[in-house]
Amino acid sequence: NAGVTQTPKFRVLKTGQSMTLLCAQDMNHEYMYWYRQDPGMGLRLIHYSVGEGTTAKGEVPDGYNVSRLKKQNFLLGLESAAPSQTSVYFCASSTLRGEKSYEQYFGPGTRLTVT
Amino acid sequence: QQPVQSPQAVILREGEDAVINCSSSKALYSVHWYRQKHGEAPVFLMILLKGGEQKGHEKISASFNEKKQQSSLYLTASQLSYSGTYFCGTEGAGGYQKVTFGIGTKLQVIP
Repeated sequence: NAGVTQTPKFRVLKTGQSMTLLCAQDMNHEYMYWYRQDPGMGLRLIHYSVGEGTTAKGEVPDGYNVSRLKKQNFLLGLESAAPSQTSVYFCASSTLRGEKSYEQYFGPGTRLTVT
Repeated sequence: QQPVQSPQAVILREGEDAVINCSSSKALYSVHWYRQKHGEAPVFLMILLKGGEQKGHEKISASFNEKKQQSSLYLTASQLSYSGTYFCGTEGAGGYQKVTFGIGTKLQVIP
């Protein structure tokens, strides 16, 4: 049982380049999330998904797109990277209690630097 | 809105106690607590649902006052392994609501 995995672990991009971060979970969770973590800012939600084929915006969605074509995978795309997107990105998935989220399981993170 | 955590940082000696507070300006359904060690992912500690329940995890417990929209995390007889950043996450009432995290409280336990 791998839990939540993220690829890649590290990446350096030049301004304007694009990339996709992959998140996979093997716990059959309905809900999945993408967060970014910056010093002094805590965890900020970028996008989330409440089921296969659905996505929704979080607190800081600008400059990012997501897709959830399969229940176990949640992809985060940067179409044209900017230095302001330098951050640590965490993916998470959660169990449910009714329609409420419960414990979130986080992946190990991806450290992205945009120069 | 992002919940407010206090203090922002605290240093303890082994065996001392600490309290971390989390307050929100909106009506809450639940409060989540996570701990993140340096260079690692956040790890779930506990969730408190409206109703004022108090939960425990090892020597870490928490309370939730839904009327005041506040939660407190209590760390008793702290151990070196308690060092890390503690985040509270708040969830509003009514259907599915996103969990919004505070900026965290950095806790350092020294010998």
